Amino acid sequence: QKEVEQNSGPLSVPEGAIASLNCTYSDRGSQSFFWYRQYSGKSPELIMSIYSNGDKEDGRFTAQLNKASQYVSLLIRDSQPSDSATYLCAVNIDNNDMRFGAGTRLTVKP
Amino acid sequence: DAGVIQSPRHEVTEMGQEVTLRCKPISGHDYLFWYRQTMMRGLELLIYFNNNVPIDDSGMPEDRFSAKMPNASFSTLKIQPSEPRDSAVYFCASSFRTIAKNIQYFGAGTRLSVL
Repeated sequence: QKEVEQNSGPLSVPEGAIASLNCTYSDRGSQSFFWYRQYSGKSPELIMSIYSNGDKEDGRFTAQLNKASQYVSLLIRDSQPSDSATYLCAVNIDNNDMRFGAGTRLTVKP
Repeated sequence: DAGVIQSPRHEVTEMGQEVTLRCKPISGHDYLFWYRQTMMRGLELLIYFNNNVPIDDSGMPEDRFSAKMPNASFSTLKIQPSEPRDSAVYFCASSFRTIAKNIQYFGAGTRLSVL
């Protein structure tokens, strides 16, 4: 079983819709969770971090964490074509290591 | 801050040649990470350093790969000899550990092509 799993997509949504990206992880001891966005040919950039159960909102982005279910998600409201990118879920396996999912490719169609 | 700086941005070399990739972390960061990204395998952690000391190199694919961090502001990843299957984008990232927050900041990457 992979340590961090994501649906590879591609996920396509119309402009203005809500995009929902999901991630599961295997290590119950994980404490820190991150969503990175990566445009084609660019490096990953952090868009959200979450450390406790529940929701965390930042502008159009909402991260949701459920440690009991070992599940973390990212919602993008009012999706824009500029949100088209690959979204990487990252999980701290322990205090000294981080694992990335394979990424979900999102396309927002005008 | 200028962010994490990697050089070169692109490297094209022939099989068997030595390749050296360079990284300057963000000033004050105490962790440095080297990753490799390919379409097939995604983003893989190769090795990371804490306060210039290698902590975990279990992701280094084989003995042809080596990494050093002689001081807090510089690290290298060396491949000798290089092979076509080493073609990938190599990222360096740095972070400042604060109670397991561990937010990593990535450099622009080095795109390596081994012919």
